Amino acid sequence: DIQMTQSPSSLSASVGDRVSITCQASQDISNYLNWYQQRPGKAPDLLIYDASNLQTGVPSRFSGSVSRTYFTLSISNLQPEDAATYYCQQYHSLPVTFGGGTKVEI
Amino acid sequence: EVQVLESGGGLVQPGGSLRLSCTASGFTFSNYAMSWVRQAPGKGLEWVSGITISGGTTYYADSVKGRFTISRDNSMNTLYLQMNSLRAEDTAVYHCAKARGGTYYKDAFDIWGRGAMVTVSS
Repeated sequence: DIQMTQSPSSLSASVGDRVSITCQASQDISNYLNWYQQRPGKAPDLLIYDASNLQTGVPSRFSGSVSRTYFTLSISNLQPEDAATYYCQQYHSLPVTFGGGTKVEI
Repeated sequence: EVQVLESGGGLVQPGGSLRLSCTASGFTFSNYAMSWVRQAPGKGLEWVSGITISGGTTYYADSVKGRFTISRDNSMNTLYLQMNSLRAEDTAVYHCAKARGGTYYKDAFDIWGRGAMVTVSS
């Protein structure tokens, strides 16, 4: 199985800040990488698919990028409603696997 | 509104069985692969199983292989997960999730249900 290593496991930032979360795959996954946001008690929401494509309806302050085997989710102009746990997910190979999550506190 | 809604969760003893259902609305269910993803209390996400649009191809995580069976009824817009020989470590919220691209479950998941809680305990 492909292991997805996410970092940091948690972070604290202020409203208006820019934060970044990284995810590294244990092997090449091309751009088959997605990002999700999960607010407490809610289902996950798809933010970014295929490494850098913004899902319809997601604010443009969210963005995704890739550099070699490192995938990055960036959130600019952090808002109070961005407090959540963020997960990466690869779908290059079965089984689909998720990163361990990054809890963002505002 | 595009949505999926799970039902059938509950408390079951170790070794017991449970069947989850997921009813879809607002989209053409038969055009999309579907998956089950679970989340143990306080833990991360774990993909459990996926099924193609016709139901002809399925996949299971090693942790549930041989115990769980995924199926679908396209005429009823419903996805199922039959869970047998349940263990304490199967305790989790089980989410139904729709594949973004369509036919294959190896995909991003763009619609999620709020989940059904399954508790395995004596």
